[in-house]
Amino acid sequence: AQKITQTQPGMFVQEKEAVTLDCTYDTSDPSYGLFWYKQPSSGEMIFLIYQGSYDQQNATEGRYSLNFQKARKSANLVISASQLGDSAMYFCAMREGADSSYKLIFGSGTRLLVRP
Amino acid sequence: GAVVSQHPSRVICKSGTSVKIECRSLDFQATTMFWYRQFPKQSLMLMATSNEGSKATYEQGVEKDKFLINHASLTLSTLTVTSAHPEDSSFYICSARGYPGRPYDGYTFGSGTRLTVV
Repeated sequence: AQKITQTQPGMFVQEKEAVTLDCTYDTSDPSYGLFWYKQPSSGEMIFLIYQGSYDQQNATEGRYSLNFQKARKSANLVISASQLGDSAMYFCAMREGADSSYKLIFGSGTRLLVRP
Repeated sequence: GAVVSQHPSRVICKSGTSVKIECRSLDFQATTMFWYRQFPKQSLMLMATSNEGSKATYEQGVEKDKFLINHASLTLSTLTVTSAHPEDSSFYICSARGYPGRPYDGYTFGSGTRLTVV
């Protein structure tokens, strides 16, 4: 069964505007972690933001924020003030369990294109 | 800190030969290494998990005799694609866990290896 679902294969956003990338997850483990990564065309995986299942507040990292809705099992990434350099693939990932040695499972990804 | 060096970045090999991909953690001890495979325009699929000094745990459907993983030291893990075939052509990327003081974003990725089998 698909544990991480990203329903948007591709998204467009105008430069300087905000964009939301959707991610839903499925787990019965009460302890889990949610991650967002950016993958530019070079292939490297760039860590953006993390949300723990017990975190009370939504995570924020600069222009990135995570809209965590636990009851809905969603962890959407919000990018504010989009820049041309934000054009890339974005992956949502989940780690089940409290130990970071647990494996990361990735969603199918969303390709974001920022228009000038 | 938290750098994983992956080599080679690109490799072209002939069908039937073997290729070794290395991942080194430069400034921390990688207690666990994850190996992923990514086909064009697709997601990262976990192939195997290896802990230093023990045998790797392979995901369902991954041939352990074809994809040999060695994690003999805390700073080096290797993936060897044996008897490579064109269908093995893919992007392979490693991820190491173990950077101290970072319990949640402690997955450090290598830069990936693009393998082409001709």
